[in-house]
Amino acid sequence: GAVVSQHPSRVICKSGTSVKIECRSLDFQATTMFWYRQFPKQSLMLMATSNEGSKATYEQGVEKDKFLINHASLTLSTLTVTSAHPEDSSFYICSARGLAGNTGELFFGEGSRLTVL
Amino acid sequence: AQSVSQHNHHVILSEAASLELGCNYSYGGTVNLFWYVQYPGQHLQLLLKYFSGDPLVKGIKGFEAEFIKSKFSFNLRKPSVQWSDTAEYFCAVTASGGYQKVTFGTGTKLQVIP
Repeated sequence: GAVVSQHPSRVICKSGTSVKIECRSLDFQATTMFWYRQFPKQSLMLMATSNEGSKATYEQGVEKDKFLINHASLTLSTLTVTSAHPEDSSFYICSARGLAGNTGELFFGEGSRLTVL
Repeated sequence: AQSVSQHNHHVILSEAASLELGCNYSYGGTVNLFWYVQYPGQHLQLLLKYFSGDPLVKGIKGFEAEFIKSKFSFNLRKPSVQWSDTAEYFCAVTASGGYQKVTFGTGTKLQVIP
């Protein structure tokens, strides 16, 4: 299957700083990428849908000024958590769909665990 | 908007036991349905999917799922589990057509005891 890679896999930062997480599709072009957040013992919560070359579409309740998403190319999307606070500590997962129409299958990155001190 | 519910949060089985994990969705239109699996320390990966046609779908590693439209269900089954099936299983749904977002259930943690 297609490969999606996230970096960094773990990051620890101080409260008030910003953190950038990258999501890359390594062997295919992804017109659409999704960012999810996973809390312990809970499901993946969709944060936003990112389409290459256009603004991300955020889900209700997700602060777009806090979680900045950029999808500048067909193989890279970034999530920046601005002015991070301890409550932003979570597991962030990206997924991508390829160009070949809506087959529906998502390919997932390995996730990035953010800890805000 | 669609939603998904998985009734079992944690299931413990002995090896060779049969497995059935429940999944019900809520959506008024045509849907695509998925089961994803996350093995310890690994990415989420697709187990099987239903788009149309035969409602009994066979996936990898001996898993299958049956789409019952009248019950809005897509239960996952395996006749005989192995220790290596220990993982977390997520049911997911998306509306058909176009680039629709995928909604996940809360997941079921399966523990298989040797």
